Amino acid sequence: DIQMTQSPASLSASLGETVSIECLASEDIYSNLAWYQQKPGKSPQLLIYYASSLQDGVPSRFSGSESGTQYSLEINSLQPEDEGDYFCQQSYKFPLTFGSGTKLEIK
Amino acid sequence: EVKLLESGGGLVQPGGSMRLSCAASGFTFTDFYMNWIRQPAGKAPEWLGFIRNKANGYTTEYNPSVKGRFTISRDNTQNMLYLQMNTLRAEDTATYYCARSGNYGHYFDYWGQGVMVTVSS
Repeated sequence: DIQMTQSPASLSASLGETVSIECLASEDIYSNLAWYQQKPGKSPQLLIYYASSLQDGVPSRFSGSESGTQYSLEINSLQPEDEGDYFCQQSYKFPLTFGSGTKLEIK
Repeated sequence: EVKLLESGGGLVQPGGSMRLSCAASGFTFTDFYMNWIRQPAGKAPEWLGFIRNKANGYTTEYNPSVKGRFTISRDNTQNMLYLQMNTLRAEDTATYYCARSGNYGHYFDYWGQGVMVTVSS
């Protein structure tokens, strides 16, 4: 199985700041990487697919990038509603696998 | 508006069986791959498997972690997705989601609200 190593496990940032969350794939996944946001008690919501394509309706302050097998989610100008859990997911090879998640707290 | 609504969860004894259902609306059901994903409390999601669309013969793919115990099926006349779970174990306790695959790959663009399954004596 492809392992997705996600970091950090948690982070705390202030309104208006920029944060970055990373996922390292255990092998090449050729940009087949998605990012999700999950708020408490809710289902995950797709933010980014194919490493950098923004899902319809997602604010442009969310962006995705890649460098080799390292993938990043950047959130600019943090808003209160950005608080929640974030997961990456590789969509290249079965079984499809998720990162362990990052809990984002807005100070 | 795309909607996915799961039902059928609850408490089941170890070794028991349960069938989950997912009612889909707001899109052409037969055009899309449909998935089941579960998430234990406080943990990351785990993809369980999918059933392909009409163009790909409605065939299935499973995570080896559940292959042979779980079966995914669909009723395209009713726009329903199903997950039959057999020989349930305590570690199957989780919230179970149905989710639609995206147009451009194996990611999940719409999720249901989830249904809780608890395996306990």
